[in-house]
Amino acid sequence: QVQLQQWGAGLLRPSETLSLTCAVNGGSFNDYYWIWIRQSPGKGLEWIGEINHRGRTQLNPSLKSRVTMSVVASKTQFSLKVNSVTAADTALYFCARGAHWSFDSWGQGTLVTVSS
Amino acid sequence: DIQMTQSPSSLSASVGDRVTITCRASQNIDKYLSWYQQKPGKAPDLLIFGATSLQSGVSSRFRGSGSGTEFTLTISNLQPHDFATYYCQQGYNIPRTFGQGTKVE
Repeated sequence: QVQLQQWGAGLLRPSETLSLTCAVNGGSFNDYYWIWIRQSPGKGLEWIGEINHRGRTQLNPSLKSRVTMSVVASKTQFSLKVNSVTAADTALYFCARGAHWSFDSWGQGTLVTVSS
Repeated sequence: DIQMTQSPSSLSASVGDRVTITCRASQNIDKYLSWYQQKPGKAPDLLIFGATSLQSGVSSRFRGSGSGTEFTLTISNLQPHDFATYYCQQGYNIPRTFGQGTKVE
């Protein structure tokens, strides 16, 4: 059974860089896409993007200019960076596993607050 | 982006009821539709993928139907632990998009 464990800074100031990492335990890392999703009261659930074990990414065009995703397949970890954050980036961030064009396993979530 | 619209936004139900939630896509998404259940403070759980396929371990009281632009999630014999918020999500196009949620209370 796959488990996703995520971590990263929870409080940022405007213009700083959000950085989160997700470690995958169990399952086959190479057989899936690895996803970042965020949830806020104002925008609901928002797909940020996905990455595979080779580092191939697909990103939400609305965030693409500020988002970087990376993968360390040998460690079965993947990461998210969002630069130049504003209050609009305040949200609960989830990592997830992509299968059948859906998301079948999720991390526990990290609340990221952007405030001066 | 494909817009996903759920109805109703909330509904009141009782244990034992049958509940139906509708999700409409702004364009054809074939059967690339998933349903999730989310409880407060938790990550969503996948219930249905491919519009009609039950995720492993999910109760058969959950049933998904539809294709194209209109989809439904039906919950039979509502149980106390089914009170939650339900979301649909399209996997047809990038960016993947979600409905706004339906709260069952």
